[in-house]
Amino acid sequence: AQRVTQPEKLLSVFKGAPVELKCNYSYSGSPELFWYVQYSRQRLQLLLRHISRESIKGFTADLNKGETSFHLKKPFAQEEDSAMYYCALSEGITGGGNKLTFGTGTQLKVEL
Amino acid sequence: GAVVSQHPSRVICKSGTSVKIECRSLDFQATTMFWYRQFPKQSLMLMATSNEGSKATYEQGVEKDKFLINHASLTLSTLTVTSAHPEDSSFYICSAREQGADHNEQFFGPGTRLTVL
Repeated sequence: AQRVTQPEKLLSVFKGAPVELKCNYSYSGSPELFWYVQYSRQRLQLLLRHISRESIKGFTADLNKGETSFHLKKPFAQEEDSAMYYCALSEGITGGGNKLTFGTGTQLKVEL
Repeated sequence: GAVVSQHPSRVICKSGTSVKIECRSLDFQATTMFWYRQFPKQSLMLMATSNEGSKATYEQGVEKDKFLINHASLTLSTLTVTSAHPEDSSFYICSAREQGADHNEQFFGPGTRLTVL
């Protein structure tokens, strides 16, 4: 069965400092990885997905199949980045399943 | 962008009653919708996958007779919590996957806060 691990419940950084939110996964096949973000009192929304290889709001994430990781990075944290971040995995279209398995989430707090 | 709504946003009911929560995809058709439960400061736990026109697939440990799911159209799925008890109090979130999408992105509703007295 697939599993997503986010080792940090809370990550506190100063504004302008680099951010790295860790995500490791276990899955025997070829997964599709996502980062979702939940701002205070708002719904969960997609931040980015690995197949797009895009940068959203300055965040990037690279899928490392060797290390089974999909860490989320941003070079300079902004106050508005404070939110709950969830890493999620899907089996992928060819896997036949499309449900998401979520990590436990990391609360990012950017301090002035 | 794709929008998913949920109704009601908040409901309080007495123990033993049933509560229905609606999930709608507003500007797209969704062959698949998902129902999650989220406890305070915890992650989302998938309860069931709802496919239009067929029976829902429940995750292990989720009672299908207690959490009734109906997905009668491509834009609406409902979750009915039957004979609710205080331990059913939680935040219920639905999501939808766009019909024909070539990826597994899900669009999430705002959630429904259920409180059972």
